[in-house]
Amino acid sequence: AQSVTQLDSHVSVSEGTPVLLRCNYSSSYSPSLFWYVQHPNKGLQLLLKYTSAATLVKGINGFEAEFKKSETSFHLTKPSAHMSDAAEYFCVVREGGADGLTFGKGTHLIIQP
Amino acid sequence: GAVVSQHPSRVICKSGTSVKIECRSLDFQATTMFWYRQFPKQSLMLMATSNEGSKATYEQGVEKDKFLINHASLTLSTLTVTSAHPEDSSFYICSARLPPGYEQYFGPGTRLTVT
Repeated sequence: AQSVTQLDSHVSVSEGTPVLLRCNYSSSYSPSLFWYVQHPNKGLQLLLKYTSAATLVKGINGFEAEFKKSETSFHLTKPSAHMSDAAEYFCVVREGGADGLTFGKGTHLIIQP
Repeated sequence: GAVVSQHPSRVICKSGTSVKIECRSLDFQATTMFWYRQFPKQSLMLMATSNEGSKATYEQGVEKDKFLINHASLTLSTLTVTSAHPEDSSFYICSARLPPGYEQYFGPGTRLTVT
């Protein structure tokens, strides 16, 4: 069975400072990992995905994530936060060739001016 | 490309009535679509997997007679909430799988309020 743990329910950073959103996963098979962003009352937008290629994955809007198998982690980072980054972020795992996605509980990112 | 739409974006209905939500893949054919439910400030929970031309597969605890799913074409899946109650009020999001690669693209969601 697969599961995802997002270690922080809320993260608050100042505009222009780095962002770190933490995610740990468990999976019995080779997982695919995703980060999605959701702005208020909107659907989900894919930021980036890991599917067993390069372990450092670059996504949209300056975000990137590193897959670390030894630590079962897939943390999301951005060097410099922008006010428009304020949103809910979900770490998601898909196991092997399965269709089903398992979502973490989400991290609410707050950007202080 | 890979755009998924939902209609309506918001709906308010009276308790006891039924409401239908549409999910369309606009620029690709989706053999598989998914329906999720999201409560306020919570994560998405998969309700069911909808395969074109066959019966939907429901997750444990989801009432199939209450949440009717129809996937009649490769670009359209519908979710009908029957005999709606206030506790059915939620944000419903669909996604469509873009073959190959199993990537899911999400619709913008439908806010259902049952009064």
